[in-house]
Amino acid sequence: AQKVTQAQTEISVVEKEDVTLDCVYETRDTTYYLFWYKQPPSGELVFLIRRNSFDEQNEISGRYSWNFQKSTSSFNFTITASQVVDSAVYFCALSEANNQGGKLIFGQGTELSVKP
Amino acid sequence: ETGVTQSPTHLIKTRGQQVTLRCSSQSGHNTVSWYQQALGQGPQFIFQYYREEENGRGNFPPRFSGLQFPNYSSELNVNALELDDSALYLCASSSPGLAGYNEQFFGPGTRLTVL
Repeated sequence: AQKVTQAQTEISVVEKEDVTLDCVYETRDTTYYLFWYKQPPSGELVFLIRRNSFDEQNEISGRYSWNFQKSTSSFNFTITASQVVDSAVYFCALSEANNQGGKLIFGQGTELSVKP
Repeated sequence: ETGVTQSPTHLIKTRGQQVTLRCSSQSGHNTVSWYQQALGQGPQFIFQYYREEENGRGNFPPRFSGLQFPNYSSELNVNALELDDSALYLCASSSPGLAGYNEQFFGPGTRLTVL
């Protein structure tokens, strides 16, 4: 069975704090893709990153970084020096390789609130 | 390049009615996926259309149906609306490439309220 779990429902931080959003996934496939999306109040899902299961290299993009660990089936997302504009709901998602461009399985989301 | 657009933005219907939601895919994309996002939840996959054929379906009843047109735009139809159908409906388009995963680009969604 495929499943994505984001155990943190809500997180509140003060601006400039670092914050990590957790994501744990389940899949029987050996080839799969993991994603993070941001959903601001407007509702549109904004793509942040995609990783495939064979690439465990961590990635950094500006203030954002991602830690992918197959051994613990986790794909955590860290925002460094958070800003008020980072306030949104963040979703982790999984897609198996036999669904090219297809079904995304989303976690429940983590609502991040960054206070000034 | 035009992104994914959806119409209408908001919609209010009563229980038992039927509704049609529309999606125009991003230029060059031939695949459209629909998702339902209930309040406080993650999006749930409804189905996908590829070149006018249904290409995968999630755990939704037959009263959820769809179409894809030759220009790759798509409709989601929901019959016999129930209160639990109240949600944000998201459309995403993509285009299969030579290898690997093909990015899905999401539209702004249609917020459906069933009274």
